[in-house]
Amino acid sequence: AQKVTQAQTEISVVEKEDVTLDCVYETRDTTYYLFWYKQPPSGELVFLIRRNSFDEQNEISGRYSWNFQKSTSSFNFTITASQVVDSAVYFCALSEARAGNNRKLIWGLGTSLAVNP
Amino acid sequence: GAVVSQHPSRVICKSGTSVKIECRSLDFQATTMFWYRQFPKQSLMLMATSNEGSKATYEQGVEKDKFLINHASLTLSTLTVTSAHPEDSSFYICSAGTSGRWVETQYFGPGTRLLVL
Repeated sequence: AQKVTQAQTEISVVEKEDVTLDCVYETRDTTYYLFWYKQPPSGELVFLIRRNSFDEQNEISGRYSWNFQKSTSSFNFTITASQVVDSAVYFCALSEARAGNNRKLIWGLGTSLAVNP
Repeated sequence: GAVVSQHPSRVICKSGTSVKIECRSLDFQATTMFWYRQFPKQSLMLMATSNEGSKATYEQGVEKDKFLINHASLTLSTLTVTSAHPEDSSFYICSAGTSGRWVETQYFGPGTRLLVL
């Protein structure tokens, strides 16, 4: 069975602190994709990153970085020098690669991040 | 790129009426569109997957006759909540998928808040 676990329900930090959001996944497939989405208070989900299972290189995009470790089935997300605008709910999701149209996302429950001034 | 619009953003209706929500991919053709429902402080719940020109695939427990989905073109899908009742009040979000053969990245619309009185 596929499953995504975001153990941290809520995190509160002070501006400029670094924060890491954890994501652990379960899948029996050897080929799969992992995603992070941000949902600010407005409600719209913003795509942040997609990573395939064959690429374990860490990625950095500005203040955001992602650490993909297949050995521990984790895909953690770190925000460096957090800002108030980073306050949002962050979702990790898994998609198994398969032919046809049944490529739905398996979602974690989300981590609500509050960055306080 | 990869912009998805959703209309209306907010709707209030009386019990028993039908509500139509439109989802459009503005700058790409979406082979697949997804409809989600999200309750407050919860993760996304996939309702159905729709493919252009074919019938939607509904998730278990989602009433097909209650939530009518039409995917008339590669850029437009509609969700009609028929004979809406207060328990249908929720945040409905669509996404449009850009696909490679094996993976789809979903880009989300801004969501529609439905309140049924």
